[in-house]
Amino acid sequence: AQRVTQPEKLLSVFKGAPVELKCNYSYSGSPELFWYVQYSRQRLQLLLRHISRESIKGFTADLNKGETSFHLKKPFAQEEDSAMYYCALRGSGYQKVTFGIGTKLQVIP
Amino acid sequence: GAVVSQHPSWVICKSGTSVKIECRSLDFQATTMFWYRQFPKQSLMLMATSNEGSKATYEQGVEKDKFLINHASLTLSTLTVTSAHPEDSSFYICSASVRLRGQGDEQYFGPGTRLTVT
Repeated sequence: AQRVTQPEKLLSVFKGAPVELKCNYSYSGSPELFWYVQYSRQRLQLLLRHISRESIKGFTADLNKGETSFHLKKPFAQEEDSAMYYCALRGSGYQKVTFGIGTKLQVIP
Repeated sequence: GAVVSQHPSWVICKSGTSVKIECRSLDFQATTMFWYRQFPKQSLMLMATSNEGSKATYEQGVEKDKFLINHASLTLSTLTVTSAHPEDSSFYICSASVRLRGQGDEQYFGPGTRLTVT
């Protein structure tokens, strides 16, 4: 079974402060990990995927297999980062993606 | 980028009636589409995987006779909620899968359909 855990439903930070959205997963094989973002009144969209190893909008995420984590980080939060963030996992050889419950990021001006 | 549309964006229906929701990939062909359900303040729960030209694969606990899925073409999948009840009220989201070279599949999401059953 595959499971994604996002321990925080809400994370509030001040503008300019560092951000870390936590994500832990459970999967026996080699998963693909993703972060999706949903801005207010917009559809869900892919933010980044671990195999790309890229920084999108200043966000990065490193897959830590030892800790089974894929935390999303940004050094300096901006107001436009306020949104719902979902961590997601896809098992190897499968199309099905399992989503975490989501974390609402609120950046306080 | 790839765009997925859903129609209608919201619908209110009476208990016992059926409702059809359409999911279209506008500028690409999708061999696989997914249907999700999202309750307030909860995550997306996969209902079924829809492959063009074949029967949908339903997740455990999802009634296939109640949630009929038809993937008639590479750009259209429909979800029909039959004999709707108030507990079927939810936000239904579809996504379409595209295979990227060397990067596996990527899902593009529709804007969702809010269903309210009275």
